Amino acid sequence: DGGITQSPKYLFRKEGQNVTLSCEQNLNHDAMYWYRQDPGQGLRLIYYSQIVNDFQKGDIAEGYSVSREKKESFPLTVTSAQKNPTAFYLCASSMLGQGNHEQYFGPGTRLTVT
Amino acid sequence: AQKITQTQPGMFVQEKEAVTLDCTYDTSDPSYGLFWYKQPSSGEMIFLIYQGSYDQQNATEGRYSLNFQKARKSANLVISASQLGDSAMYFCAMRERNTGNQFYFGTGTSLTVIP
Repeated sequence: DGGITQSPKYLFRKEGQNVTLSCEQNLNHDAMYWYRQDPGQGLRLIYYSQIVNDFQKGDIAEGYSVSREKKESFPLTVTSAQKNPTAFYLCASSMLGQGNHEQYFGPGTRLTVT
Repeated sequence: AQKITQTQPGMFVQEKEAVTLDCTYDTSDPSYGLFWYKQPSSGEMIFLIYQGSYDQQNATEGRYSLNFQKARKSANLVISASQLGDSAMYFCAMRERNTGNQFYFGTGTSLTVIP
C-alpha cells in the first residue's frame, strides 16, 4: 500500500532537547512538506522540498531544520531554539507540476515539550 | 494578503440537510488548483475534491460538490445530505502554477452535524 508514514504518533520531550520527527513516503513523490498545526488553527508551512538535497523555508522555519538525503524521507528536527514546540506536526507529499496533484498527508505526530 | 480565506470558524447543520462552507482565494496566476480537505478529530487530512482554474464545470465527488465562481474568486464546498461522520474541520487550499509546488491553506471551518 502506498502512503506516508510518520513516527511516532505521540512524542514527549523535555525542554532544551532536540527531537527528530520521521516522515517516509513510498508514493514516488518528488515534493515533500512539513506543517505545524496548533489547536483550532490551520496549517502553517515549516519547510518543503522539491528535490533531493534541496529544500526551502516556509513561513515558520525558525527553530526547525530538515534534510532530504533520499527521495522517500524528509525528517524534521525541532531544535531547542524553537520557543513553543508543542504542536501537531503533519508531513505531506505531492507530485510536481500542475494539474490535479493534491497533497497526501501522513497521520501526524503530536509533540509535547515540558 | 491572505491567499485563502475561510470566514466561518464554526458551522452547524442538521443531519440530512445540505451545508455550504465558504472559501475565497486571492491570486493573479491564471493557472491554479483549489482543494478541499477534511480533518476529523483523529488529525488525519483527507482529500475531498479538486477544482482546476480552467475547468468549465463545477467539480463533484459523491456528496461533495464545489461551487466555483471564478470571477468572484470563491470556491465553496457544498456537502449534501449531511451525516454525523461529516463532523470535522474542513480546509480549503490552493496551489498556483507560478509558485510551483507550495500549497496555501485557509484557517479552516469546524462543522458539527446535529442529529
